[in-house]
Amino acid sequence: GNSVTQMEGPVTLSEEAFLTINCTYTATGYPSLFWYVQYPGEGLQLLLKATKADDKGSNKGFEATYRKETTSFHLEKGSVQVSDSAVYFCALSGNTNAGKSTFGDGTTLTVKP
Amino acid sequence: GAVVSQHPSRVICKSGTSVKIECRSLDFQATTMFWYRQFPKQSLMLMATSNEGSKATYEQGVEKDKFLINHASLTLSTLTVASAHPEDSSFYICSARVGAGMNTEAFFGQGTRLTVV
Repeated sequence: GNSVTQMEGPVTLSEEAFLTINCTYTATGYPSLFWYVQYPGEGLQLLLKATKADDKGSNKGFEATYRKETTSFHLEKGSVQVSDSAVYFCALSGNTNAGKSTFGDGTTLTVKP
Repeated sequence: GAVVSQHPSRVICKSGTSVKIECRSLDFQATTMFWYRQFPKQSLMLMATSNEGSKATYEQGVEKDKFLINHASLTLSTLTVASAHPEDSSFYICSARVGAGMNTEAFFGQGTRLTVV
């Protein structure tokens, strides 16, 4: 079945540091890939997505590139801010799972001023 | 983007009572909605897929008699936790997709924090 493996956290960075959160996946066919962000006490919000190989999703300074050869979708940001502190989830949606999303375990990011 | 509204955001109930959580798609129709449960500092666990006009599809290990799902219209799905117990305390989140394709992202409700005392 489908699975998503995320880099374990928590991750603590200083403001303006470079961020990478690794994500790899296992899926049949050609899934779509997503990064969601969850702020404390809230639901999930879509951060970015990519629907085919070599696509790059980007939003709010975050980027991730769909790498089929390495089955990866690593999240990056060049300069993090305190307001980026949240839990980040990598997810996929395959073409054989009736629209269900498969989530990674989440990575907690804390950015210190 | 599309909006999914979940209500209530927090609920505290006594052990043995039932609690209903609503999930509404405000500006689109959703034939399928999903219910997740999230334990502290853990990922989302899919509980069931809610299908408009038909029975929900439950994931393995989820008690359908405990977690009752009704999807009576294209914009509303409800999750009822029947005879709740402290171990049912958790964060429950619903989601819905715009359209049926796998390329469309899921939009999530804001979640419901259930505490059973």
